[in-house]
Amino acid sequence: SQQGEEDPQALSIQEGENATMNCSYKTSINNLQWYRQNSGRGLVHLILIRSNEREKHSGRLRVTLDTSKKSSSLLITASRAADTASYFCATDAGGNKLTFGTGTQLKVEL
Amino acid sequence: NAGVMQNPRHLVRRRGQEARLRCSPMKGHSHVYWYRQLPEEGLKFMVYLQKENIIDESGMPKERFSAEFPKEGPSILRIQQVVRGDSAAYFCASSPPGRSNYEQYFGPGTRLTVT
Repeated sequence: SQQGEEDPQALSIQEGENATMNCSYKTSINNLQWYRQNSGRGLVHLILIRSNEREKHSGRLRVTLDTSKKSSSLLITASRAADTASYFCATDAGGNKLTFGTGTQLKVEL
Repeated sequence: NAGVMQNPRHLVRRRGQEARLRCSPMKGHSHVYWYRQLPEEGLKFMVYLQKENIIDESGMPKERFSAEFPKEGPSILRIQQVVRGDSAAYFCASSPPGRSNYEQYFGPGTRLTVT
């Protein structure tokens, strides 16, 4: 099964609302990263949180990490139509090899 | 500073032909990674290379697939005798030398279609 699994699989919200996505993983990690992928495009790195960190912010993004529960969440505040994309979490358990989850498809409607 | 470059962006091959996918890492990056993405799925790690060395190929299929990152020039992912199941998007990523716990920068991908 996937190392990282995102929940929900799909999310549809109105512009201006907040979007929260969750990620669970199975093994110990060095860091966890969130990426965005627009349809048919490459991945854009959003944020990296190390295993000794609990929360991190970047602009409208807020990421939390709970290593005891092996879970992370990504919060996008005041969403915009341009945030419509698929969001993936990826874990690095050491060795620089990223293990990706199956992604959350976010749709932000006007 | 140009990002990770991949070419071609789209590649169509008939069953049995060879596919060569190229990746030029970001300037100053010496670590290269290849990932494969099937439709509606997340990315799956294939191989991790440094200049002239394969560091981790645990995600590579045992047959028909090979990867290299020569001293000079781009990294190459080579798929021999392609089959329909090889149709996917192949992404390359790079990261700086001698460092861990840093993000990987992804290229735009090569979309391989096997007919």
